Amino acid sequence: DQQVKQNSPSLSVQEGRISILNCDYTNSMFDYFLWYKKYPAEGPTFLISISSIKDKNEDGRFTVFLNKSAKHLSLHIVPSQPGDSAVYFCAASPEGGGSNYKLTFGKGTLLTVNP
Amino acid sequence: DSGVTQTPKHLITATGQRVTLRCSPRSGDLSVYWYQQSLDQGLQFLIQYYNGEERAKGNILERFSAQQFPDLHSELNLSSLELGDSALYFCASRGQGGEQFFGPGTRLTVL
Repeated sequence: DQQVKQNSPSLSVQEGRISILNCDYTNSMFDYFLWYKKYPAEGPTFLISISSIKDKNEDGRFTVFLNKSAKHLSLHIVPSQPGDSAVYFCAASPEGGGSNYKLTFGKGTLLTVNP
Repeated sequence: DSGVTQTPKHLITATGQRVTLRCSPRSGDLSVYWYQQSLDQGLQFLIQYYNGEERAKGNILERFSAQQFPDLHSELNLSSLELGDSALYFCASRGQGGEQFFGPGTRLTVL
């Protein structure tokens, strides 16, 4: 039972355009969400997070939107750059898990930004 | 560089063998999390330690075990290895915020 789903295995966009990566979750206990970027042969790198008390969080070119009623979040990258080409993982956790905090990950979306 | 270190980077072994993967968390972080990434799979949570104590278990096989030592480094022990255990194994540590910081991973190949 996959509690965090990234239904698009891959996405291709042109440099300078917007990249939109989507993520759905099923567990109502999740209320803290994160996006990670992963290059080949490296560990995942934290990008941006959002708590369920917000519906939007922005950090430079990266914005995460959360729709709690739809159990859906998305990551927008504007403008997209070739260096953004990587696998993007959505992750979720019940916040307030204290020291027992753990993340549930989606399977990832491979983003390719074409020059 | 996340500040989380993992050794070795690559490991090749045979079925039935036992291996130990090592992880050192970021300075000051008390939690260590282990994840497995198999082909076509996302990161699967295996186990978490906090200040030397096991705190949460995920999809960890009985053939696998872990511990966290007083200096906070952690080891993941994989025994009676099978072909299907070939994967990337990541550890992560958690800081004051909610995000986890991942090491570069150990690629295990079981032949």
